[in-house]
Formats: sequence, structure tokens, C-alpha cells
Amino acid sequence: GAGVSQSPSNKVTEKGKDVELRCDPISGHTALYWYRQSLGQGLEFLIYFQGNSAPDKSGLPSDRFSAERTGGSVSTLTIQRTQQEDSAVYLCASSLRILLETQYFGPGTRLLVL
Amino acid sequence: AQKVTQAQTEISVVEKEDVTLDCVYETRDTTYYLFWYKQPPSGELVFLIRRNSFDEQNEISGRYSWNFQKSTSSFNFTITASQVVDSAVYFCALSVQNQGGKLIFGQGTELSVKP
Repeated sequence: GAGVSQSPSNKVTEKGKDVELRCDPISGHTALYWYRQSLGQGLEFLIYFQGNSAPDKSGLPSDRFSAERTGGSVSTLTIQRTQQEDSAVYLCASSLRILLETQYFGPGTRLLVL
Repeated sequence: AQKVTQAQTEISVVEKEDVTLDCVYETRDTTYYLFWYKQPPSGELVFLIRRNSFDEQNEISGRYSWNFQKSTSSFNFTITASQVVDSAVYFCALSVQNQGGKLIFGQGTELSVKP
């Protein structure tokens, strides 16, 4: 398919475990964004990449969260020592470039921390 | 700081009614974009429209229309002759030039269209 893909679709983990969420952007899109959608906080920005660099990590809620992008394509969002408040839907989006381009979203990863 | 407000949390209409979803934004930047996304029950965010801060022309796409007014910092979305398939959560979002394009979302309006 030509859209943004994310895996896994659903992830259930135990508190304290680490999880990795993957995003595969639209081919040729240089900008990649991670957002989180939770009941209490709505849709909130986490981090974005331009190529492989992350100029803005301001939305990461704690140092347990990290992300990387390799080859200007796939990105991985890692949450260490998960907490129950990390339960949310993690959405990835990509755009052709940064700066005001339209972002196209993937289906999300629903994370549940027990 | 930037902010987007969608004051209507939930709206319920009967099929074929017209409905307007309100969006008010705040920014001091002069260059910005406004967006509307639709999130159906399946969960995926679907892009509907993008508007830049220099173009206040209203836009119509089929049953959808958008009214952008800088004087009131509003970017409202109207669905004409609503259909059951329009039932979804609709998000308004703002992106400003000097923040890398990240989207600042409103809280969303859940629209329910009943047959």
C-alpha cells in the first residue's frame, strides 16, 4: 500500500516492560511525526524527524521515551519501563517536507499497559 | 503560544440536516496553516482540507464547505445534507511556520448523524 503503516496494531504489556512501536512512512516523505492520542489529553505532539534528525523532541513526556529514524525512512518509538499512564494510541504521520505540508496519518498503535 | 479550541464536544443531528463545526485558533505567527481531519470509528485520521493564512477564500468540496475568517480567528466546517457516514470525530489543527510543521489539535467534535 502507499499509505503510512504502523506496527503492531495493538500491544498489551505489563508495567515496567519496554515496548517498541514502528512507523513506515509514505515513500519519499522526508518528514515524520509521532503523536499520542489519549482520553485525557487529546491529540498531542511527541517528536518529529526531518530525514534522520529530530529537531524537536519537546513533546516527549519523559526520558523514558525515545525515538529514532534510520535511512530517512522507518522510525521506531521506544518506551522504557512502561507505566499505566502510557496507555494510549500512538499515531505516526508523514509529509513530503516539513513546514506546513499536509501530514498523512497511519492507523496507529493501541498500547495498553497493565 | 498556539492554541486551537473546538467548543462543541458532541453534536447530534438527523440525516439531511446541515451542521457546522466550530474552530477558533490562537497564534501570533503571520504564516500558518489550518487543517481539518476526520476520525471515523475505525480510528485512522483522514485529511480533509488545508488552508494557509494568506488565503481567506471559502472552499467547497461536495457537501463540505469551510469558512476561514482571520478577523475572528475562526475556521469553521459545514456539512450540508449530512449522512450517517459523516458520523465521526472531527479535528481542527494549526501548524505554524517556525515550529517544524507540528500540528496543534483542538479537542475534537464528535458528530453523530442519525437516520
